[in-house]
Amino acid sequence: EPEVTQTPSHQVTQMGQEVILRCVPISNHLYFYWYRQILGQKVEFLVSFYNNEISEKSEIFDDQFSVERPDGSNFTLKIRSTKLEDSAMYFCASSADRDNSPLHFGNGTRLTVT
Amino acid sequence: GQNIDQPTEMTATEGAIVQINCTYQTSGFNGLFWYQQHAGEAPTFLSYNVLDGLEEKGRFSSFLSRSKGYSYLLLKELQMKDSASYLCAVRFPFRGGYNKLIFGAGTRLAVHP
Repeated sequence: EPEVTQTPSHQVTQMGQEVILRCVPISNHLYFYWYRQILGQKVEFLVSFYNNEISEKSEIFDDQFSVERPDGSNFTLKIRSTKLEDSAMYFCASSADRDNSPLHFGNGTRLTVT
Repeated sequence: GQNIDQPTEMTATEGAIVQINCTYQTSGFNGLFWYQQHAGEAPTFLSYNVLDGLEEKGRFSSFLSRSKGYSYLLLKELQMKDSASYLCAVRFPFRGGYNKLIFGAGTRLAVHP
């Protein structure tokens, strides 16, 4: 069964550094998402992406965050200057359509900011 | 604001049946999803309801009442491996015709022998 893949599985970085989290969505999916989950808390929406542009973003997704689809397969989340509170599990997800299909999640990248 | 409520924790016995409830208040509705999440892992899709009624999928069933803003996930013949968090998520229309999917805090289910 096709799946969403994320790399790396774990990233440790120092406060103030830039990180790029990478995702390869399911190949025929058109809608892409980033969610995050701080340890012990709920899964929170960050951003959705369609047709090479952001379709929606949450208040968490401030100027420090950006997303890109640099080629036909990768979907990246960049955090420009990491803060301690960015430590979380970041999940990439994709769906085949906007209205009826479920989101399929990757295994996540655990980001630790020290 | 948008709100999804579900119990924080539940326990059940192997072989039994458990029902996990979810209530929601959102500005619009385009479907309700249930996901299973084992600790440290990704949410895995279980079921989807967009119309009122019961959807059955093997040992798992999910029910929706849109007028009451209510859903439940029913797990039958519980197994130890069903110990996990169960996440209720609601999709609702947002700006520009797009949908947004938001999650409840999850219900941590512990299955014991």
